Amino acid sequence: DTAVSQTPKYLVTQMGNDKSIKCEQNLGHDTMYWYKQDSKKFLKIMFSYNNKELIINETVPNRFSPKSPDKAHLNLHINSLELGDSAVYFCASSQQSAEGSPLHFGNGTRLTVT
Amino acid sequence: AQSVTQLGSHVSVSEGALVLLRCNYSSSVPPYLFWYVQYPNQGLQLLLKYTSAATLVKGINGFEAEFKKSETSFHLTKPSAHMSDAAEYFCAVYGPDTGYSTLTFGKGTMLLVSP
Repeated sequence: DTAVSQTPKYLVTQMGNDKSIKCEQNLGHDTMYWYKQDSKKFLKIMFSYNNKELIINETVPNRFSPKSPDKAHLNLHINSLELGDSAVYFCASSQQSAEGSPLHFGNGTRLTVT
Repeated sequence: AQSVTQLGSHVSVSEGALVLLRCNYSSSVPPYLFWYVQYPNQGLQLLLKYTSAATLVKGINGFEAEFKKSETSFHLTKPSAHMSDAAEYFCAVYGPDTGYSTLTFGKGTMLLVSP
């Protein structure tokens, strides 16, 4: 009965490869997010989708492409992986229609690019 | 844009001692404020949130935080630290500058608890 689940938990791959991370939430929330946590634990928002519509797209290389097939899923596809993409990627969800609604996070995907 | 500043990247306390983790926000109007905890190799878990209903907010695991508008602060406290409290703590803010749509995090404070 995990609220926000993302797969895989660990992802090790070589430079230049393409990979995807999947995320699903069963909380009935209308908004989903991707955050990146770097080696210093700093969290930065990458994307936000509200009811399948992109509403936030921070300064992220266009090698990163989010896809939301429905409001319960938000996947992240990364093309031509680079060493600097190594980080922990967190999916989160919230009910944005309720102002001040907290985010619920998945357990993260640790991406290592070699 | 609104932001939060967490003073001290590391805080060390002894078991049983008071825990105080500092967070200051910048916002033109009172924002929504949150504290999250991250245990090793896990996601972020909500500890508590301030949404203007009360200035003293109680959260899980015995933590509480007080919103002080005059000091633009939202410090996190716990009267008596347990070993299990050792983790990374993040202060976060929603503010009017982004239409309350983006949760912005501080840089985190690692709490170390010694026996």
